[in-house]
Amino acid sequence: RKEVEQDPGPFNVPEGATVAFNCTYSNSASQSFFWYRQDCRKEPKLLMSVYSSGNEDGRFTAQLNRASQYISLLIRDSKLSDSATYLCVVNFNAGGTSYGKLTFGQGTILTVHP
Amino acid sequence: EPEVTQTPSHQVTQMGQEVILRCVPISNHLYFYWYRQILGQKVEFLVSFYNNEISEKSEIFDDQFSVERPDGSNFTLKIRSTKLEDSAMYFCASSPFNEQFFGPGTRLTVL
Repeated sequence: RKEVEQDPGPFNVPEGATVAFNCTYSNSASQSFFWYRQDCRKEPKLLMSVYSSGNEDGRFTAQLNRASQYISLLIRDSKLSDSATYLCVVNFNAGGTSYGKLTFGQGTILTVHP
Repeated sequence: EPEVTQTPSHQVTQMGQEVILRCVPISNHLYFYWYRQILGQKVEFLVSFYNNEISEKSEIFDDQFSVERPDGSNFTLKIRSTKLEDSAMYFCASSPFNEQFFGPGTRLTVL
């Protein structure tokens, strides 16, 4: 099983649509969870951290289900500028001194069209 | 807003040559990282650096790779003898604690 697995996509949606991405991770001891977005040939940019209670940032809502080892991202009212690759990212570190080694999923491509 | 910066943006080198990729992390961050992304593939962890020493490294980070923080601001990745398969985007990241912020990357092309 892959360490971090995402919906293969691609997703093509019209402006204003709601779209959801899912992700599963293999290590139940994982500590930190993130969604990044990556534009073509650019760096990953942090979109949001994902907390156990779920969290929202404007049009974006992230959920975490530790029991199922499952993370989701919901984008409401999609904009053309939301077109990007969305990366599910997990820090598997179980609390050592190193807060590193992010493990990335393959990414899901989103295209929002007019 | 503070950003991670990286130079050069693109480096072309011949196989077997040494390259040094440079990064300036965000100034009050304590943790520094290098990742790479081969074209069409996912981002992969190379190494993490804290308190002036390597804290973790991946299988990719073999004896050909080294990192250094020579002057308290720069953070460098050296590849001693480049191979064709080292061609990739190399991203530097820094973190105050948990969230990591990435630089724009250096595209390394090995011919």
